[in-house]
Amino acid sequence: EDKVVQSPLSLVVHEGDTVTLNCSYEVTNFRSLLWYKQEKKAPTFLFMLTSSGIEKKSGRLSSILDKKELFSILNITATQTGDSAVYLCAVRNAGNMLTFGGGTRLMVKP
Amino acid sequence: DAGVIQSPRHEVTEMGQEVTLRCKPISGHNSLFWYRQTMMRGLELLIYFNNNVPIDDSGMPEDRFSAKMPNASFSTLKIQPSEPRDSAVYFCASSFYGDTGELFFGEGSRLTVL
Repeated sequence: EDKVVQSPLSLVVHEGDTVTLNCSYEVTNFRSLLWYKQEKKAPTFLFMLTSSGIEKKSGRLSSILDKKELFSILNITATQTGDSAVYLCAVRNAGNMLTFGGGTRLMVKP
Repeated sequence: DAGVIQSPRHEVTEMGQEVTLRCKPISGHNSLFWYRQTMMRGLELLIYFNNNVPIDDSGMPEDRFSAKMPNASFSTLKIQPSEPRDSAVYFCASSFYGDTGELFFGEGSRLTVL
C-alpha cells in the first residue's frame, strides 16, 4: 500500500520567515510527486516532480525530490500571510493512483 | 473549460437517507477520482476510474458506498443509508491517464448527516 507522511503537522511562523515542509513516501512503481496548497476550498496545484535533484521554482516557492531517499521538500521564503494554508504532498504510482499525505498546516502571522 | 463540476455543493440530510453526489470531469480526461476529506483522516481516496472502469475501490468504507461512471462525462457517488460519520467534504478530481501531471479538483460537496 502506498504511503505518504508529511511533517511537521503544523507550523506557526511570522511574515518574512523561511519554512521547509517535508514529505516522505513509499510507493510501488513511482511516477511523480505533487504538491498542492489548500485554503478554504479545493486543493490547488503547485508543483509536479519526477526527477531527483532538479529544483522546481515558482516565485518564493521551490521544491526538490530525492528518489533515492524517498522524500521531497517544499520551501517557502519570505513568507506572507497569504501563504497560510494546508500544504499537501501526493505520490502517483504507475496505475495513476494518487495517494495524499495528511498535510502540513502553515499559519503565517503578521 | 469549466473545470471539474460537482453537485450539490452542500447537502444536509438525516441519518438513514440516501445521498447521491455528482461529478462531471474535465472534457478529455479519462481518469476520475473520488476523495473524502475530514479533519481527522485528511484526504482519503475512495475509488478511481480509468476509462470509466473502476480500478481500485479499496478505499470505499463499506457496502453503503457505491460509485458509478456510466460514461466519460459523468460519475456518481452514492451513500445508502447515510450515517453521521459519513459527514465530510467529498472531492471529485480528474486527470489524463498516461500523464504524470496534476490532478484537477472540483470544489467539493460538503455533506452533513444529522
